[in-house]
Amino acid sequence: QKEVEQDPGPLSVPEGAIVSLNCTYSNSAFQYFMWYRQYSRKGPELLMYTYSSGNKEDGRFTAQVDKSSKYISLFIRDSQPSDSATYLCAMSAGDSWGKLQFGAGTQVVVTP
Amino acid sequence: ETGVTQSPTHLIKTRGQQVTLRCSSQSGHNTVSWYQQALGQGPQFIFQYYREEENGRGNFPPRFSGLQFPNYSSELNVNALELDDSALYLCASSLEAGANIQYFGAGTRLSVL
Repeated sequence: QKEVEQDPGPLSVPEGAIVSLNCTYSNSAFQYFMWYRQYSRKGPELLMYTYSSGNKEDGRFTAQVDKSSKYISLFIRDSQPSDSATYLCAMSAGDSWGKLQFGAGTQVVVTP
Repeated sequence: ETGVTQSPTHLIKTRGQQVTLRCSSQSGHNTVSWYQQALGQGPQFIFQYYREEENGRGNFPPRFSGLQFPNYSSELNVNALELDDSALYLCASSLEAGANIQYFGAGTRLSVL
């Protein structure tokens, strides 16, 4: 079993809809949670960064962390075709070296 | 743009050869991490360098090695290439060792034939 599980999709939504993405994990030591966006042939771009449980909002993006359930989510409101990309969740235990553990990524397609 | 640049963009090698990939970190970042991303998978941590010393390593064999230089540049070397080494190799720079906020380059796509 992988430490971080993420549905690979593809997830297809119409423009303007809410995109809902999630990851589950097994390592209770994870304390830092990130969402990256990766366009085709590009490197991952950091979207959201949260520590421990709770919600964080940034523009159209909302990240949620539920450590008791070992479950994290990312919501994208008012989705645009430019949001079409692969979304990767990543986690870290916050020890002395910043090893990030990634999910496999979910491909999102926003259709006009 | 993250300010992290990688070269070359794409590389084709044959099995058994050696390869060197290069990365230039964001100015002021003293830590660089390397990841391998196979097709359809998330990045897998290879190792991290902090102030020119290896600071941590993932589950990769010793034929994967690295160097970090004082001018914020670094290298990933892979010896005795295998077909399974075909992947996108990403470097990520951060302000300090242990920093969870890492800025990724666009990667080098390595094809091993």
